[in-house]
Amino acid sequence: DAGVIQSPRHEVTEMGQEVTLRCKPISGHNSLFWYRQTMMRGLELLIYFNNNVPIDDSGMPEDRFSAKMPNASFSTLKIQPSEPRDSAVYFCASSLGQGSVSDEQFFGPGTRLTVL
Amino acid sequence: TQLLEQSPQFLSIQEGENLTVYCNSSSVFSSLQWYRQEPGEGPVLLVTVVTGGEVKKLKRLTFQFGDARKDSSLHITAAQPGDTGLYLCAGGMSTDKLIFGTGTRLQVFP
Repeated sequence: DAGVIQSPRHEVTEMGQEVTLRCKPISGHNSLFWYRQTMMRGLELLIYFNNNVPIDDSGMPEDRFSAKMPNASFSTLKIQPSEPRDSAVYFCASSLGQGSVSDEQFFGPGTRLTVL
Repeated sequence: TQLLEQSPQFLSIQEGENLTVYCNSSSVFSSLQWYRQEPGEGPVLLVTVVTGGEVKKLKRLTFQFGDARKDSSLHITAAQPGDTGLYLCAGGMSTDKLIFGTGTRLQVFP
C-alpha cells in the first residue's frame, strides 16, 4: 500500500519566490497534518484538517503561509513570498481521524526546503 | 502552550549498553505516543500508551506512562546500532492533535 506521498522531495528557491508543497494522504484517512521540522524548534504542527476542513491553524507562522485541502486525496501548503527563515523540512501526515486520541499518524518522507 | 521536554537531548553510547529517555510535561495528556525518525524519513510510530501507569514492551524497548499522565519514559536494553535515530514523544489531547516533544537524538556505536 502506498503511504503518504509528498512532492517535491527537495526544493531550492530564492527569497521572494512562491513555494508550493504537495501531499497525498493515505486513502481512507480523514485527518491530514502539516508539520515543519528544524533543529532549533523541532517538529511543529502548522495546520491540520479533518474531512477536508481546517480544524486548527494556530501553528501557521504568518500570512505568508496558506494551506488548502480541496478534496480527500490532496493538500497543498503554499509559502508566498518565501524567506530564508522558512528553510526546513516540511512533513505531511495523515491519520484515520475518527476522533480517537490515540490514532497513529503516518508521515510522508518530507520536503526539504531551502530558501536562498 | 503545552510543552513536552525530552531528556537527554543527545545520547551517544556503545552497543550493548542500556539507556532511558524521559519525556516530561506540566500538562495532562489523554495518550502518549513514541515515534522514531531516521535520517531522510518521517517519524514512525513505536507505541501508544493511554492509561496512567501503563507499561508496554516492544522487544528490547520498554515504555511507561506516568501515573498522572504528564510524563513518560522509554528504556532500551542492550542497545544496537539499528536503534540509532531521533526519538520523539507526542502527547495526545482531546482531538486528533499531537504535541511533539523536543526529541532525543540517539547514536549507538558498534
